[in-house]
Amino acid sequence: DGGITQSPKYLFRKEGQNVTLSCEQNLNHDAMYWYRQDPGQGLRLIYYSQIVNDFQKGDIAEGYSVSREKKESFPLTVTSAQKNPTAFYLCASSIIGELFFGEGSRLTVL
Amino acid sequence: QKEVEQNSGPLSVPEGAIASLNCTYSDRGSQSFFWYRQYSGKSPELIMFIYSNGDKEDGRFTAQLNKASQYVSLLIRDSQPSDSATYLCAAYSGGGADGLTFGKGTHLIIQP
Repeated sequence: DGGITQSPKYLFRKEGQNVTLSCEQNLNHDAMYWYRQDPGQGLRLIYYSQIVNDFQKGDIAEGYSVSREKKESFPLTVTSAQKNPTAFYLCASSIIGELFFGEGSRLTVL
Repeated sequence: QKEVEQNSGPLSVPEGAIASLNCTYSDRGSQSFFWYRQYSGKSPELIMFIYSNGDKEDGRFTAQLNKASQYVSLLIRDSQPSDSATYLCAAYSGGGADGLTFGKGTHLIIQP
């Protein structure tokens, strides 16, 4: 089945640790995104990538990093510089505005 | 700053009635509009999109767009308890991958 796979689904992290969230898609979409969602809030764009080896900062990129070495993969690293990383992270791919989401990764900092 | 505004709710509607969800947007250059449904703890899924003024119907769902008023709505007919979710409105202004702006969502509760 075509879709977007995020892992892990749940992740706990100690303060000061970096963590990497995986996102893989087999939809052959060029554009991929990472969003963050906090309780009662909408989706805020962290990073996006329109082609391999290129990515752009979104509205809240500080404390995060990404790579796009393959079309299918767009991992997100939450660094220790992110002051409040506990959130629900959503990866998506798109065809001109219509987003297809993965199941999400819920990160909790202990 | 492009903004999409939604009433956060909760909006409570009796089962079988029509649920009406509303959204306004600030960027007159917005080209297309999307409604996503998000169940608690799950990821959003696309319900409908619309880009022309007027109504667009798909089953029990109708999306309405009024570009002059910068207003988008989603009507859900014959509401079911399974429609209880948060509904996110998004506006796409073009210009690439960062041209999509989300509202904070409206929490809809269908009362049996």
